[in-house]
Amino acid sequence: AQRVTQPEKLLSVFKGAPVELKCNYSYSGSPELFWYVQYSRQRLQLLLRHISRESIKGFTADLNKGETSFHLKKPFAQEEDSAMYYCAVHGSSNTGKLIFGQGTTLQVKP
Amino acid sequence: EPEVTQTPSHQVTQMGQEVILRCVPISNHLYFYWYRQILGQKVEFLVSFYNNEISEKSEIFDDQFSVERPDGSNFTLKIRSTKLEDSAMYFCASRLTHYSYEQYFGPGTRLTVT
Repeated sequence: AQRVTQPEKLLSVFKGAPVELKCNYSYSGSPELFWYVQYSRQRLQLLLRHISRESIKGFTADLNKGETSFHLKKPFAQEEDSAMYYCAVHGSSNTGKLIFGQGTTLQVKP
Repeated sequence: EPEVTQTPSHQVTQMGQEVILRCVPISNHLYFYWYRQILGQKVEFLVSFYNNEISEKSEIFDDQFSVERPDGSNFTLKIRSTKLEDSAMYFCASRLTHYSYEQYFGPGTRLTVT
């Protein structure tokens, strides 16, 4: 079964510190992975997609098929990065449904 | 920038009552979804809708649930006889085409069943 695991409910770092939000997945076939972010009182929005290999707001994520991981990283955290982060995978059906991890709250302290 | 909208933002209902949650997807989008998030748990897929029919539904989406796109703009989720365990945040999302990957989410409707 397809599954996404985010082992940390809360990650608390100081401003300027590196950040790594962990995501592991189980999926048969070629997964399509995403990171969505939800800032306080705002809606879920797409942050990154693995295929595009781009950096958004300083965040990057590399798909590691050997370790079945898609960790989200940022070298220097900013206070405005404080939010809920969800890792998600496209389901294997053709409908585009997303399967989400439990989410990690990132708290960046001044 | 166009956004997905959802109404109401909060709905309180009694067990056994019917509720209709409303969504207005982005106007030229073709794929529509409902997800729910029970407090403290993950966001879960409920149903996807394309070309005026359900394209996939999860195990959660039993006979008590139905979706409709009655007028080409609204996309509704109906729960016929609510249970306490239906209390959750319900998110609507839309996607432009099969080849576009981003889903655009609404702000959610918090459903409280008492």
